[in-house]
Amino acid sequence: NAGVTQTPKFQVLKTGQSMTLQCAQDMNHNSMYWYRQDPGMGLRLIYYSASEGTTDKGEVPNGYNVSRLNKREFSLRLESAAPSQTSVYFCASLLRRDTEAFFGQGTRLTVV
Amino acid sequence: LAKTTQPISMDSYEGQEVNITCSHNNIATNDYITWYQQFPSQGPRFIIQGYKTKVTNEVASLFIPADRKSSTLSLPRVSLSDTAVYYCLVGDIWQAGTALIFGKGTTLSVSS
Repeated sequence: NAGVTQTPKFQVLKTGQSMTLQCAQDMNHNSMYWYRQDPGMGLRLIYYSASEGTTDKGEVPNGYNVSRLNKREFSLRLESAAPSQTSVYFCASLLRRDTEAFFGQGTRLTVV
Repeated sequence: LAKTTQPISMDSYEGQEVNITCSHNNIATNDYITWYQQFPSQGPRFIIQGYKTKVTNEVASLFIPADRKSSTLSLPRVSLSDTAVYYCLVGDIWQAGTALIFGKGTTLSVSS
């Protein structure tokens, strides 16, 4: 049982480049989330998906797009990366609010 | 969504009991209170969840007064390995797929 898997673990981008962060969960969870965490800061919600086919903006959605490809997969895309998007990105999944959320191991992204 | 307020940081020594209080003055009837722990370079992990009174598991206790406007996470006899960031979340368990907002959390530093 892998839980929540994020790829890649590390990535360096040049300003203006695009990339997609992948997230997959094998727990049949309904909801999935993308967060960013800057050094010394808490987690900030970028986008979330309540169920397959639906996505909603979180606290800091600007500069990002998401796709809930199916129940298992939720991807985060940076169309034109900026140095301000240098951060650690976490994906999470959740069955219901009365159960626990599970997190991936994170993707450390540096934009130069 | 109920807004939560926690202390930014706390210090303790090994073997002491640590109590972290979270304020959630506008908590709604269907809201549950959930606490997560995050170690550096890792995603948060679930500690404990409750609705009212007291909940205890092998890791911590959660105290919730009758008015539910606050909650206290109690960590008995902390060790150096309990140094982490602790997040308090409040949310309606019956609204599937609602935003999971973590906030800044409380950084607990345990010294020997």
